[in-house]
Amino acid sequence: SQQGEEDPQALSIQEGENATMNCSYKTSINNLQWYRQNSGRGLVHLILIRSNEREKHSGRLRVTLDTSKKSSSLLITASRAADTASYFCATVVSGGYQKVTFGTGTKLQVIP
Amino acid sequence: NAGVTQTPKFRVLKTGQSMTLLCAQDMNHEYMYWYRQDPGMGLRLIHYSVGEGTTAKGEVPDGYNVSRLKKQNFLLGLESAAPSQTSVYFCASRKAGQLSYEQYFGPGTRLTVT
Repeated sequence: SQQGEEDPQALSIQEGENATMNCSYKTSINNLQWYRQNSGRGLVHLILIRSNEREKHSGRLRVTLDTSKKSSSLLITASRAADTASYFCATVVSGGYQKVTFGTGTKLQVIP
Repeated sequence: NAGVTQTPKFRVLKTGQSMTLLCAQDMNHEYMYWYRQDPGMGLRLIHYSVGEGTTAKGEVPDGYNVSRLKKQNFLLGLESAAPSQTSVYFCASRKAGQLSYEQYFGPGTRLTVT
């Protein structure tokens, strides 16, 4: 079963607005990562938050993590048309190897 | 640096045919992965390798085989393709060590099995 479930599945906003997408997971994690996928391309790493962190910033990205609720959110501020893409959370658990499980993704459309 | 490259980019197979997808990385990464991406399913791990000469099964390994004869290459084989293997296949690599290391992805191979 999927470790990460994202919500909403799709999101459409106007340029300049903020976009928030959420990720819920089921088991304890070492860290959680967010990736972006432009149409027809591979995934690109955006930001990582460790299990002992609550909030992380990188440019226009803000990630929060609530381990008690097993959830994370990604906020993109002042969105641009170039932010149009699918966004995936990936949970990383400790084990014999880096067990990474990707969520089903949120498809973001930013309308110019 | 080219990063992670995949060949071919597109392929159409008939049921029962075989093929090999090639992944190459020039970042000297120890770990390499093969995923498949289907609509609404996210990415699912097929096989992975933690070093040259070693491979292991992931979440959905049936119908696939892999080999890692050289550190920079990771091959994914379909011995007898089935329509259920129609998908987009992604290869990824990362450094060994900390769990916080990110994965680097290739551009994908779109495979259709008719």
